Amino acid sequence: GESVGLHLPTLSVQEGDNSIINCAYSNSASDYFIWYKQESGKGPQFIIDIRSNMDKRQGQRVTVLLNKTVKHLSLQIAATQPGDSAVYFCAAPMGPRYSSASKIIFGSGTRLSIRP
Amino acid sequence: GAVVSQHPSRVICKSGTSVKIECRSLDFQATTMFWYRQFPKKSLMLMATSNEGSKATYEQGVEKDKFLINHASLTLSTLTVTSAHPEDSSFYICSARNSGRAYNEQFFGPGTRLTVL
Repeated sequence: GESVGLHLPTLSVQEGDNSIINCAYSNSASDYFIWYKQESGKGPQFIIDIRSNMDKRQGQRVTVLLNKTVKHLSLQIAATQPGDSAVYFCAAPMGPRYSSASKIIFGSGTRLSIRP
Repeated sequence: GAVVSQHPSRVICKSGTSVKIECRSLDFQATTMFWYRQFPKKSLMLMATSNEGSKATYEQGVEKDKFLINHASLTLSTLTVTSAHPEDSSFYICSARNSGRAYNEQFFGPGTRLTVL
């Protein structure tokens, strides 16, 4: 079946370094992707999204890259800070476009830990 | 804007009792809400789609008689875990789709931690 968000489960980075979290998807028809951050005991928080007509999108300290050829996307966090410690999920809507039946499916997530 | 709340944030109950969890969109209308559950160190698994004024749509493997969903207004959906057992202990998260915005824009609540003794 379709899948999204095949992540490495953990990532440890030095404070101040850049973090790169990777995600793969299987459905070549997927045209929209979202990155979420989930801190311990909280709900997911939207970080950034990207549509398939783009290869790159930048936000504040974050950049998402999309490679449709290999069905891969990544989230880059610049100058990683202790507050970036969380689980990061990529996700994609599944189901009919522009329909109330569309639903967001989450991948397995990557736990980012920061070394002081 | 676009705030979703859940109540309660934590609940502990005895095995066999029923527990109701509320999900509210505070500053927007949501014809569609979603219920997820999350086990420790796992991803969010979609349980059901809650549609205002109609029956919920459950994902495969989710017992609709066990997890009752009611979406009686444009700002409130409730999930009732009936006859709860320890294996139902989990983190339940709802999300709401803003009826007036893009189809794929969902806002998540803070989650409800259910512990069944």
